[in-house]
Amino acid sequence: QVQLQESGPGLVEPWETLSLTCTVSGGSVTSSTYYWAWVRQPPGKGLEYIGNIYYNGDTYYNPSLKSRVSISMVKSRDQFSLKVNSLTAADTAVYYCARELSGDDGGYFDSWGQGTLVTVSS
Amino acid sequence: DIQMTQSPSTLSASIADRVTITCRASESISRWLAWYQHKPGKAPKLLIYKASSLQSGVPSRFSGSGSGTEFTLTISSLAPDDFATYYCQHYKSYEGLSFGSGTQVEIK
Repeated sequence: QVQLQESGPGLVEPWETLSLTCTVSGGSVTSSTYYWAWVRQPPGKGLEYIGNIYYNGDTYYNPSLKSRVSISMVKSRDQFSLKVNSLTAADTAVYYCARELSGDDGGYFDSWGQGTLVTVSS
Repeated sequence: DIQMTQSPSTLSASIADRVTITCRASESISRWLAWYQHKPGKAPKLLIYKASSLQSGVPSRFSGSGSGTEFTLTISSLAPDDFATYYCQHYKSYEGLSFGSGTQVEIK
């Protein structure tokens, strides 16, 4: 059974860049069946899709965040990463990595990490 | 962008109650809808995809229905483990792939 685990700093200063990594176990990021995605949830608010990456390196980003985010992967480590730059307090959230089904019937998330709280504050 | 509206935002229920949560899309999404259960500090859990397909391992007391713009998640007999927040999510297209605002199911 696949498991995903986020790692990264819990506190980041305003205007800095956030870097998070998701490690996949029990599965491979080189599978063509899935995208590898990031979703976040600000305190007291709903879930927001950030974007995803495919095994071939193709990426998709939420247009509302596209100018500030990038997603990459390291296949040899079964890891994928998220960078968000020019952070503000509005980026404070629990960040989840997730496995997203690809293909014509895809677009939903069948496995998630437990999430990591990132606070943007000086 | 397609907006997803869930109701109610909070629901109080007792063990063994039948519970229904509604999700409405601002435009037709055919059956491209998923439901998730989320407990604090835990990973969200996929319950239903394609509006009514039960994810493997999910108890049969959970069911989904609907198409177009109106969808429901039903728990036929609420169990102690079911107190959580539930989210719908459309995936009609990448453009505006989004979640509902959530429904918290609490103990009455």
